[in-house]
Amino acid sequence: DAGVTQSPTHLIKTRGQQVTLRCSPISGHKSVSWYQQVLGQGPQFIFQYYEKEERGRGNFPDRFSARQFPNYSSELNVNALLLGDSALYLCASSQSGVTNEKLFFGSGTQLSVL
Amino acid sequence: GIQVEQSPPDLILQEGANSTLRCNFSDSVNNLQWFHQNPWGQLINLFYIPSGTKQNGRLSATTVATERYSLLYISSSQTTDSGVYFCAVANSGNTPLVFGKGTRLSVIA
Repeated sequence: DAGVTQSPTHLIKTRGQQVTLRCSPISGHKSVSWYQQVLGQGPQFIFQYYEKEERGRGNFPDRFSARQFPNYSSELNVNALLLGDSALYLCASSQSGVTNEKLFFGSGTQLSVL
Repeated sequence: GIQVEQSPPDLILQEGANSTLRCNFSDSVNNLQWFHQNPWGQLINLFYIPSGTKQNGRLSATTVATERYSLLYISSSQTTDSGVYFCAVANSGNTPLVFGKGTRLSVIA
C-alpha cells in the first residue's frame, strides 16, 4: 500500500505569490494534518482535517488555509508569501484523527521563498 | 500548552556504540511518539508509546508517564541511524502532536 504522498517535492516562489501544496493520505485514513518545519526546529502544527471538517488550527496567520476533499486528500494554500514561509511542509495522516493515534508522515514539500 | 524538551541536542557516536535519548514533557499525555527524520526529510514513525516499554530490533523505548519522561535506546548503532530523532506528545482532548526540537545523531564508521 502507498504511504502518504505529497506534491510537489520542491517549490521555489517569490515574495507575494501564492502556493498550493497537495497531500494524499494512506488508504483508509480519514484525517490529514499539516505541519511546518523550519530549519533546525521540530515540526509545528498548522491544521488538522477530518471528514472534510477543520478539527484544529495552530498559531498561523490567516494567509494559511486548507481543505480536505471527499476522497480525503488535502490541499494547503499559503497566500502573500513571505521569506519566513520558507520551510519543509509535512502532511500526516491517521485513521480517525483522535488525539491518541499514530501519525504517518509524507516526505514533505520543501518551499523556498525568494 | 505542553512543553517538550529533548536531550542531548547533538550526539556523535562510533559505529557499534549504544546511546540513550531523553524526552521530558511538562504535562500528562495520552500520546507519545518517537520519529526518525532521515536526510531526505521524511519522518519515520519508530514507536507509539504513551506508557510502558517497546522494542523493535536494535531500538527500544520506555515511557514513564507518571514522571513525565521517555527514553529511546539505540544499540549497536549503524551509520544508517544518523539523522534527527524527535519526540512528540499530545495530551487529553483534541490536541495535536507537539514536537521537541530533536536530537541530531551522527554515527561515524
